[in-house]
Amino acid sequence: QVQLVQSGGGVVQPGRSLRLSCEASGTVFSRYVMHWVRQAPGKGLEWLVLISSDGTTKHYADSVKGRFTISRDNSRNTVFLQMNNMIIEDTAVYYCAKVASRAVTGPNWLDPWGQGTLVTVSS
Amino acid sequence: DIQMTQSPSSLSASVGDRVTITCRASQSITRSLNWYQQKPGQAPKPLIYAASSLQSGVPPRFSGSGSGTDFTLTIRNVQPEDFATYYCQQSFGTSWTFGQGTKVDIK
Repeated sequence: QVQLVQSGGGVVQPGRSLRLSCEASGTVFSRYVMHWVRQAPGKGLEWLVLISSDGTTKHYADSVKGRFTISRDNSRNTVFLQMNNMIIEDTAVYYCAKVASRAVTGPNWLDPWGQGTLVTVSS
Repeated sequence: DIQMTQSPSSLSASVGDRVTITCRASQSITRSLNWYQQKPGQAPKPLIYAASSLQSGVPPRFSGSGSGTDFTLTIRNVQPEDFATYYCQQSFGTSWTFGQGTKVDIK
């Protein structure tokens, strides 16, 4: 059974940085694209970023481009989200998620998801 | 970026009702459309992928249809455990996007 366990959330001041981690088990982690998604309090889901299986390709949402950086360490089965120059609007629950299929083309979706970690940006 | 517009934003239903939620993409996404269910305090759970394929373990009262820009999620004979928020999500482009969500509550 594939499981994603997240860590690294907490309270951070505006302008500061925070790094989230997401460790996978029960799968060959290095074969799958990974994503981060967030959800502000009482709001909907916002897709943030994906990283290819080998870590060479990354795509970001405009809302975080230039401030957030995704990376992965396949030897540790872990994907990271480095968040810099944080703003109040970054307050949210952050989820990592694995794509369901290894296929490069064709349908794909997010399954499973991590448990989510709350990040609060406040002075 | 591809925009996803979901409607309605909320609806009330009774147990046993049929519920329909629609999702429209700003450009054709062929059948690269997924549906998720989210309950308070929980991570989203996939229901439907590739517009109409049922995720393993999901009851058959859930179904999806559509292609191109217009998609529908239907719940037949709504059960108490189905009251939740539902999101569509496109996986066509290099950047994925979600719809705004539809909250289904008890009438």
